Amino acid sequence: DQQVKQNSPSLSVQEGRISILNCDYTNSMFDYFLWYKKYPAEGPTFLISISSIKDKNEDGRFTVFLNKSAKHLSLHIVPSQPGDSAVYFCAASAASGGGADGLTFGKGTHLIIQP
Amino acid sequence: AAGVIQSPRHLIKEKRETATLKCYPIPRHDTVYWYQQGPGQDPQFLISFYEKMQSDKGSIPDRFSAQQFSDYHSELNMSSLELGDSALYFCASSLDRGASYEQYFGPGTRLTVT
Repeated sequence: DQQVKQNSPSLSVQEGRISILNCDYTNSMFDYFLWYKKYPAEGPTFLISISSIKDKNEDGRFTVFLNKSAKHLSLHIVPSQPGDSAVYFCAASAASGGGADGLTFGKGTHLIIQP
Repeated sequence: AAGVIQSPRHLIKEKRETATLKCYPIPRHDTVYWYQQGPGQDPQFLISFYEKMQSDKGSIPDRFSAQQFSDYHSELNMSSLELGDSALYFCASSLDRGASYEQYFGPGTRLTVT
């Protein structure tokens, strides 16, 4: 039972345009969401996060939007650059439980930025 | 900036052997997490430690055990290895589980069981 879903295995975007990566979740206990970027043979790199009390968080070219009622979040990258080509994982945590909770990951979306 | 260090980076073992993976968290981070990523899969949470005590448990097999030491480094011990244990094993660390939920990952240890 996949509690975090990334339904697009891959996404191709032209350099300079906006990349939008989507993520859906089913567990209502999740209250903290994170996006990670991963290159082959490397560990996931933290990009940006959002708490369930917010609906938007912005950091430079990266913006994450959260729609709690739809259990949906998205990562926007503007403008897209060649170095953004990587696999992007959406992850969620029931963080307010107080423990050092493990993250639940989606299966990832491979973003390809075309020149 | 200092990152999470994992050793070894690559490990080849035979079936039924044991393996020990080590993780050194980012300085001042007090919480360590272990994840397993099979080929083409998403990372699966195994276990976490906060201040040297087990904090959360995921899908860790009974053949695996882990601990966090006084210097906050952690070791994942894997016994009776099976072919299906071949995977990338990531360690992550965070600071003050109650204040920051971002986990920072190491480069991983690639375990191959033959």
